Amino acid sequence: GAGVSQTPSNKVTEKGKYVELRCDPISGHTALYWYRQSLGQGPEFLIYFQGTGAADDSGLPNDRFFAVRPEGSVSTLKIQRTERGDSAVYLCASSLSGTDSNEQFFGPGTRLTVL
Amino acid sequence: AQSVTQLGSHVSVSEGALVLLRCNYSSSVPPYLFWYVQYPNQGLQLLLKYTSAATLVKGINGFEAEFKKSETSFHLTKPSAHMSDAAEYFCAVSSLGGQNFVFGPGTRLSVLP
Repeated sequence: GAGVSQTPSNKVTEKGKYVELRCDPISGHTALYWYRQSLGQGPEFLIYFQGTGAADDSGLPNDRFFAVRPEGSVSTLKIQRTERGDSAVYLCASSLSGTDSNEQFFGPGTRLTVL
Repeated sequence: AQSVTQLGSHVSVSEGALVLLRCNYSSSVPPYLFWYVQYPNQGLQLLLKYTSAATLVKGINGFEAEFKKSETSFHLTKPSAHMSDAAEYFCAVSSLGGQNFVFGPGTRLSVLP
């Protein structure tokens, strides 16, 4: 079956612009996670959805970052007024439910470059 | 708060040699522990996980890891390295009631012919 997909695979934008990154989770997975991975580092948690609601958004770095999952499936990560420091690979993962032992399945990521 | 440390950002082994990638964690509650592998330009893939059953966990591609509570460790091993094992390896921890994973900084494994 299809895995987690993310679009676009690469996004280049200019400082100050607005970007949207899309994640399509595995069908039937109720939990969805966003991570940010900077060069040479491990993934850093941003936000977790259980169904349509954001159950934990404690990892969002500031109010320029926002994510939605209106129908409990596809999710969009939105970044306003992008800064060069936002450049990273943004990873999406989904799991069957939000329990701790459930495996998270990761997408290939979106590489964001802010010039 | 949970945290993960991985000793050695880069490990090189010869083909056929033992692979040992170190992971130590801190958690105030019993942890769930995971090893993920990331091949170039691909997403993270689960190698194995510990969820409070057997302390020696076997994963895919011949990898295994042992949970040692007294040492707060979850080191990853493979008896004989293969060229295809070259990748980035991440250790991660979550815990009862926690909803997110905390990843370590990763260890890049190189396999020399």
